[in-house]
Amino acid sequence: SQKIEQNSEALNIQEGKTATLTCNYTNYSPAYLQWYRQDPGRGPVFLLLIRENEKEKRKERLKVTFDTTLKQSLFHITASQPADSATYLCAPNTGFQKLVFGTGTRLLVSP
Amino acid sequence: DVKVTQSSRYLVKRTGEKVFLECVQDMDHENMFWYRQDPGLGLRLIYFSYDVKMKEKGDIPEGYSVSREKKERFSLILESASTNQTSMYLCASRSGTGRAGEQFFGPGTRLTVL
Repeated sequence: SQKIEQNSEALNIQEGKTATLTCNYTNYSPAYLQWYRQDPGRGPVFLLLIRENEKEKRKERLKVTFDTTLKQSLFHITASQPADSATYLCAPNTGFQKLVFGTGTRLLVSP
Repeated sequence: DVKVTQSSRYLVKRTGEKVFLECVQDMDHENMFWYRQDPGLGLRLIYFSYDVKMKEKGDIPEGYSVSREKKERFSLILESASTNQTSMYLCASRSGTGRAGEQFFGPGTRLTVL
């Protein structure tokens, strides 16, 4: 069955550094992958989408890569700020218009 | 500002009760979803609907049913609530056009079944 793996341990970094979060998937080949941000007690909010034929996508301080050979996506936040502290969810598609979500990685950016 | 709203933020019910969770979206989206989110398990899809009166089972439909009588409203029903249905329930919607559209989530309903 499809399996999505994100690092369950929190990632602690210093303000101004680049945060890199990893998403690995097994047993299938998604056509695209989305990343969401979730704050405590709130619903996830969409950040970026990357398709299987795209190696990299950028939006302001965010960058996502998609390596279909390694079956991995990396999510980068450059010049991180305390306001970036949240849980980040990886969500490859499964079938038409459905997503399967990873358990998320909690990012903590300290001043 | 686009919105997905859920009827309650917090709900406490007793075992055996019938529970209704309501979700409304104002974006004229065709697709709507119900997830539950539990620590260590992430978001798991319960049911989704791609049109009025249409529904499809997700990964964990047991113990749940859904209703979509109007395009903007998608209801999740727990026929006989059990303690293992204590969870955070999240509703989402997305446009039916295009293959890879983002999902818009509601704020969630934290349900406790005693």
